[in-house]
Amino acid sequence: AQSVTQLGSHVSVSEGALVLLRCNYSSSVPPYLFWYVQYPNQGLQLLLKYTSAATLVKGINGFEAEFKKSETSFHLTKPSAHMSDAAEYFCAVNTGTASKLTFGTGTRLQVTL
Amino acid sequence: GAGVSQSPSNKVTEKGKDVELRCDPISGHTALYWYRQSLGQGLEFLIYFQGNSAPDKSGLPSDRFSAERTGGSVSTLTIQRTQQEDSAVYLCASSLTGLATYEQYFGPGTRLTVT
Repeated sequence: AQSVTQLGSHVSVSEGALVLLRCNYSSSVPPYLFWYVQYPNQGLQLLLKYTSAATLVKGINGFEAEFKKSETSFHLTKPSAHMSDAAEYFCAVNTGTASKLTFGTGTRLQVTL
Repeated sequence: GAGVSQSPSNKVTEKGKDVELRCDPISGHTALYWYRQSLGQGLEFLIYFQGNSAPDKSGLPSDRFSAERTGGSVSTLTIQRTQQEDSAVYLCASSLTGLATYEQYFGPGTRLTVT
């Protein structure tokens, strides 16, 4: 079985501040991990993915995430928030046996001036 | 190139009616997925098609839900005798293959409201 936990349903940061969105996973087999972003009334867009190559993964829009097996974590970070980053972010896990994404409950990021 | 498209974008139906939701995947993608996004349940997997293999229907919530994929391309999700709890956004995604490492590309979704 696979699952994902996202701590914090809402996160608010000031423009220019560090963004940190937390994701912990549970999987009985090596996981593949994804971060997706959803803007209002739109579908999901992939930010980045971890597929067992480099543990530090860089994605679009300046986001990155680090896979830490010892902590079963895959937190999403961005050094400096921009107003356009305001959206909902979903962490997801897939495994070779499942062929389907299991999503966390999402974190809504608010960016304030 | 063209992404995943879904129609209609919005659908309002009366309780008890049947509805059909359509998904056009990215050309050449062999894997197609349906997910449901609702306030109470979050994002949940419904069904997965991979090439000509039997679909994985393990996420369908009841036998009122069914889906087909014709010619390995377009897919239709059908909900019979709709209930208010079926109100949600239905998202379709496609992937080059069904391998777990491959990115799933999502469509904009169909917002279903059952009155």
